[in-house]
Amino acid sequence: DGGITQSPKYLFRKEGQNVTLSCEQNLNHDAMYWYRQDPGQGLRLIYYSQIVNDFQKGDIAEGYSVSREKKESFPLTVTSAQKNPTAFYLCASSGGHSRVTTNEKLFFGSGTQLSVL
Amino acid sequence: GDSVTQMEGPVTLSEEAFLTINCTYTATGYPSLFWYVQYPGEGLQLLLKATKADDKGSNKGFEATYRKETTSFHLEKGSVQVSDSAVYFCALSPRGSARQLTFGSGTQLTVLP
Repeated sequence: DGGITQSPKYLFRKEGQNVTLSCEQNLNHDAMYWYRQDPGQGLRLIYYSQIVNDFQKGDIAEGYSVSREKKESFPLTVTSAQKNPTAFYLCASSGGHSRVTTNEKLFFGSGTQLSVL
Repeated sequence: GDSVTQMEGPVTLSEEAFLTINCTYTATGYPSLFWYVQYPGEGLQLLLKATKADDKGSNKGFEATYRKETTSFHLEKGSVQVSDSAVYFCALSPRGSARQLTFGSGTQLTVLP
């Protein structure tokens, strides 16, 4: 079955540590996204990538980094510079890669809950 | 900038009750509008969408109509079920943008048997 796989489901970070969240898709989608979800708030865009080897900062990119070396993979690293990393992280993808949105729906993974020890 | 405002939750209803979740938006131009649903511990799933004024999106008994004059996209269902318990997010996608969706804060719905 096609879809988006996020791992791990739960992750704990020690102070000063970098951690990486995995996101893999087999939908052959060009565009991929990372969102952060905090309780009682909507999703906020961290980074997005329209195509391999290209990515753009979203609204809250500070303290995060990404890479897009392969079409299927878009890992997110939460660095030690992110002082409040506890949140639910969602990865998504869509088929469109044009600079003009195609209004296609986003497909979401099941999320990773990151907590600080 | 673009924004989406949803009615605050949580909303608790009895089974078979009528549901309305209000959503209004601020955007330049003519965005596409979406409702996503999130079940506990899961990612979001597209529930319905509308891409132009007066369009009605519908799915699984849920409906929402794109009202440009009131900049609204309220979600409705005539008879809710316990299985509809979830968090519902209204979102917009501005035309000509590569950034995709701007989400509302979500509304928690609990349906009691």
